[in-house]
Amino acid sequence: NAGVTQTPKFRVLKTGQSMTLLCAQDMNHEYMYWYRQDPGMGLRLIHYSVGEGTTAKGEVPDGYNVSRLKKQNFLLGLESAAPSQTSVYFCASSEGLAGYNEQFFGPGTRLTVL
Amino acid sequence: GQNIDQPTEMTATEGAIVQINCTYQTSGFNGLFWYQQHAGEAPTFLSYNVLDGLEEKGRFSSFLSRSKGYSYLLLKELQMKDSASYLCAAMDSNYQLIWGAGTKLIIKP
Repeated sequence: NAGVTQTPKFRVLKTGQSMTLLCAQDMNHEYMYWYRQDPGMGLRLIHYSVGEGTTAKGEVPDGYNVSRLKKQNFLLGLESAAPSQTSVYFCASSEGLAGYNEQFFGPGTRLTVL
Repeated sequence: GQNIDQPTEMTATEGAIVQINCTYQTSGFNGLFWYQQHAGEAPTFLSYNVLDGLEEKGRFSSFLSRSKGYSYLLLKELQMKDSASYLCAAMDSNYQLIWGAGTKLIIKP
């Protein structure tokens, strides 16, 4: 039982390049989330999904796209990377949305955009 | 707007007790979470409060006052491994978590 896994762990991009971050969970969770974490700031929600084939915007969605073609996978895409997207990206999943439903986090992807 | 406030950094001594405070302002309220995050690692769940009062779980306890928009995390019998950041997060009316910036706890021998 691996929980939540993320690929890759580290990445360096040049401005304008594109990339996809992959998140996978083996807990059969309906809900999945993408966050970014920057120094001195709380986690900020980028996009989330309430089930296979559905996605929704979070607090900071601009510059990112997502897809949830399979229940266990949630992909985050950067079409044209910018230095402002340098951050640590965390994927998370939960069984439910409301109440006592803790979010389980992946190990993170450390992205640098030059 | 929605906001979470918690101290940036705290220092405590091994074996002692420390209380980390959190105040929140959200549109609606569906519970208060505490997570622990060691440097370079993912956040891990510690506690959830939705009703007023104290929830105790081993060496860790969490308190909530909904009328005051206030919570605290109490850590007893501090160990060196408790050195980490502690994240407070409030769930709003849309069931989204609003996160504080975290409190870095430094434990000294």
